[in-house]
Amino acid sequence: DQQVKQNSPSLSVQEGRISILNCDYTNSMFDYFLWYKKYPAEGPTFLISISSIKDKNEDGRFTVFLNKSAKHLSLHIVPSQPGDSAVYFCAAGDMEYGNKLVFGAGTILRVKS
Amino acid sequence: NAGVMQNPRHLVRRRGQEARLRCSPVKGHSHVYWYRQLPEEGLKFMVYLQKENIIDESGMPKERFSAEFPKEGPSILRIQQVVRGDSAAYFCASSPEVTQPQHFGDGTRLSIL
Repeated sequence: DQQVKQNSPSLSVQEGRISILNCDYTNSMFDYFLWYKKYPAEGPTFLISISSIKDKNEDGRFTVFLNKSAKHLSLHIVPSQPGDSAVYFCAAGDMEYGNKLVFGAGTILRVKS
Repeated sequence: NAGVMQNPRHLVRRRGQEARLRCSPVKGHSHVYWYRQLPEEGLKFMVYLQKENIIDESGMPKERFSAEFPKEGPSILRIQQVVRGDSAAYFCASSPEVTQPQHFGDGTRLSIL
C-alpha cells in the first residue's frame, strides 16, 4: 500500500528552465511534508518542508505547493542548475505520531546544460 | 557543526553473523529514526527512539532486529543472524523536535555474503 507516490521515475530539464516534481498521497492524517535530494552513496539532504496549514512555502530557488483537497504536492525549482541533478524524494508524516516519514520511490532529475 | 554520523559506511557479514550499525545524531537532537532502503525503492521507516526510549518500532521486523539509544553514546541498530534479504542501505536521521525536519546521515551499506 503506497501511501506516498511519485509517479514520474525521471525528469529531464534544460538548464535555466523550471523543474516541477510531483507527489501524491493517500493518508489524510499526514500533516507535514518534506522534499529531500539524494546523491548516490550519500544520505538524503533536506530541501524544504511544508505543514498542512499552509499551501505554499518558498526558500530561494525552491518552492513547495500543497493542495490538500487533491492530496497533491509539488516542488518547483527555478532556475534549474546542473548541480540539481539528483534523486528527489517526497516524504510525509503525521506529527501527532512522532512524524515517522513515509517516502515516495523518488524521481531522478537530470538538468542538461 | 557535525551532522548525523553513521558508521561503518560499509559492512560485510556472512549469513548467521550479527551486524551492529551505529548512529551519532546531531548534537542536541534527542529524536532518532532508522530507515532502510532496498535497491530501487524509497526509504522505509523502521524505528523511532527518543533518548533511552523506543517510541515506535512498527516498521522493524519482530525477530532478529533491535534498536537502542542509550543516555550516553550513539544509537545502535542490531541485526542478529543476518540473512541475504537484510542487504540494504540503513539510514539514521535525527531532529531536535518532532515538528522539525529530520536530517540524515550517509547511511551504512550492509552486504550479506
